[in-house]
Formats: sequence, C-alpha cells, structure tokens
Amino acid sequence: QLQLQESGPGLVKPSETLSLTCIVSNGSIYSSSYYWGWIRQPPGKGLEWIGTIYYTGSPYYNPSLKSRVTISVDTSKNQFFLSLSSVTAADTAVYYCARHLMIAASASDYWGQGTLVTVSS
Amino acid sequence: SYELTQPPSVSVSPGQTASITCSGDYLGTKYVSWYQQKSGQSPVLVILQDVKRPSGIPARFSGSNSGNTATLTISGTQAMDEADYYCQTWDTRNVIFGGGTKLTVL
Repeated sequence: QLQLQESGPGLVKPSETLSLTCIVSNGSIYSSSYYWGWIRQPPGKGLEWIGTIYYTGSPYYNPSLKSRVTISVDTSKNQFFLSLSSVTAADTAVYYCARHLMIAASASDYWGQGTLVTVSS
Repeated sequence: SYELTQPPSVSVSPGQTASITCSGDYLGTKYVSWYQQKSGQSPVLVILQDVKRPSGIPARFSGSNSGNTATLTISGTQAMDEADYYCQTWDTRNVIFGGGTKLTVL
C-alpha cells in the first residue's frame, strides 16, 4: 500500500524558510495518473491547500501563498518537497503531503501522517 | 476566488441520518470529494467524484451534487462517525477546501 511520510524540522524561526520532504514508498511518483500535493492545517482550524506538482515538475500554488512557496519533485528519489519562505507565526500548522487523483478533481486518496511545524524564536 | 461553504456543526442521534452540505457557485458542474478527519488523525477520503466510495468506506456514506450544493449523507450514523468533515473541489488549477463541519453524534 502506498505510503507518504513527511520529514523536516519541527521548529522554524520567524522570517526563515520552512523546508519539508515527502517520501513516497510502495509506489512511484513517476505516474501520469497522479499529482502530489501539500496541505496544511493550523491548530484547531481547517485544511488549507498549499500547492500541487506533477511528476514532470509543473507546480500549481495557492494564490494566497504563491509568492512564498516552491514545490519541487525528485523522481529518482521518489520524493517531493515544500519550501515556504519568510515564515511567521501564522504558518504554524500540521503539514500534510498527499496524492491527488487527476481524474477526480484532485481528490486526495493517500495522506501522510502530518508533521507539526511551529514558527517561533 | 472560488469558495466552498459548510455549516460549522451538525448534530445527529445514533442510528439517524446525518446530512452535511457544501455550497458553491455552480458546484454541480464540478466534482466534489469529502474527507473525514478524526481528532489527531490525517483526513480520510470517504467520497470522490460526487458519489463514489473508495474501497473500505462503509456503504452508509453517500454523496450527491446538484445545482449549487453537494451533500454528504451518513445513514444509520454511528458513534465512530463523530469527526470533522471537509468538502473539496478543483477550480482553475486550485484545490479548494470547505471550512469543515463538526459532526456530533449525541
């Protein structure tokens, strides 16, 4: 069964860059049927889509975060990555990586367990 | 930008039917997915493409989508169904989530 696992620092200082990796196992990122995405959830709040990437490297970003977000993919390592610059306390959240189904309006059928990132000095 | 609106909370008695709505302009022309999220857990896809249940999702979960409203229906609601539920769609290369609905099984 496909597994996704987020990894990265749990604490980031304000104004610095948050960097996370999603490791995909028991399945290949190199597939024409799926997108790969990042979603976050601030404590006690709802889900917010951050961005999505295709294995060819074509990303789509949430317009509200676009100026600070970069998502990339490394098919050789079966991993994809999130970079969020100039973070503030408002970026404190559980960050999830997920697989999106292309034919189903990006329904996310597999999710990572999530990783809490706290922005604090 | 496109928005999806959900009621903040819905309550239901065990064994009864729960309906959670999701509203958006011309939503019936788009595919809608639904996710269940229990406390401290990752979201789980329970409905995709408006009406389809992924493998392993109980038949008591069903979906519909018409006009400006999509609905998640849980028939014979059980205590284990108490969770937050989110609708989601795709619009002009953006993934859109609703604000979420807390389902309480009283």
